[in-house]
Amino acid sequence: GAGVSQSPRYKVAKRGQDVALRCDPISGHVSLFWYQQALGQGPEFLTYFQNEAQLDKSGLPSDRFFAERPEGSVSTLKIQRTQQEDSAVYLCASSLGRTTNTIYFGEGSWLTVV
Amino acid sequence: DQQVKQNSPSLSVQEGRISILNCDYTNSMFDYFLWYKKYPAEGPTFLISISSIKDKNEDGRFTVFLNKSAKHLSLHIVPSQPGDSAVYFCAVPPSSGAGSYQLTFGKGTKLSVIP
Repeated sequence: GAGVSQSPRYKVAKRGQDVALRCDPISGHVSLFWYQQALGQGPEFLTYFQNEAQLDKSGLPSDRFFAERPEGSVSTLKIQRTQQEDSAVYLCASSLGRTTNTIYFGEGSWLTVV
Repeated sequence: DQQVKQNSPSLSVQEGRISILNCDYTNSMFDYFLWYKKYPAEGPTFLISISSIKDKNEDGRFTVFLNKSAKHLSLHIVPSQPGDSAVYFCAVPPSSGAGSYQLTFGKGTKLSVIP
């Protein structure tokens, strides 16, 4: 597709349930990012991949959060044993090179934990 | 400790008038700045950027001004249109160099342009 595609768009999870969020970056984009946006806040960095290598996971809030990009294209963000504070929009973004100044965001996956 | 601050959570402007959105930053080493626009239920989209070697960058109705001494930048939209109603985020890459990953975003300003 032409843009960054994320699925599911909306997810309601019961507390304690595991969830998996998928991101299809723009074809050929080397860099892939995950951001978390809580209500009324700006996006906050979670993790960064360059191809299949996860170069920075400093933003992941706990060890319940795990991201992978095994073949350097599609990425999955997994949240284990979800908590109410995990409720947020999870944004995936990609960029062409390592050091491009602009990145392109998907529409986000809206997670609500009840 | 917020490195990027947008102190106005919302702004209402009449159609045809100028919209001015402000952003302050704390790290004088930042050398590149971006503005993103976000409609409800969509991801942020890149709007305009400015390098610290400039004090102004213009793209159609959108102009960004940078005041390095005050560590302040502003986005001007002239004339404002109802379709400009969205949340605007100021963002900076890490101070280690322009184009680095991990953008830091402000909290955003919700602009409402009234017809």
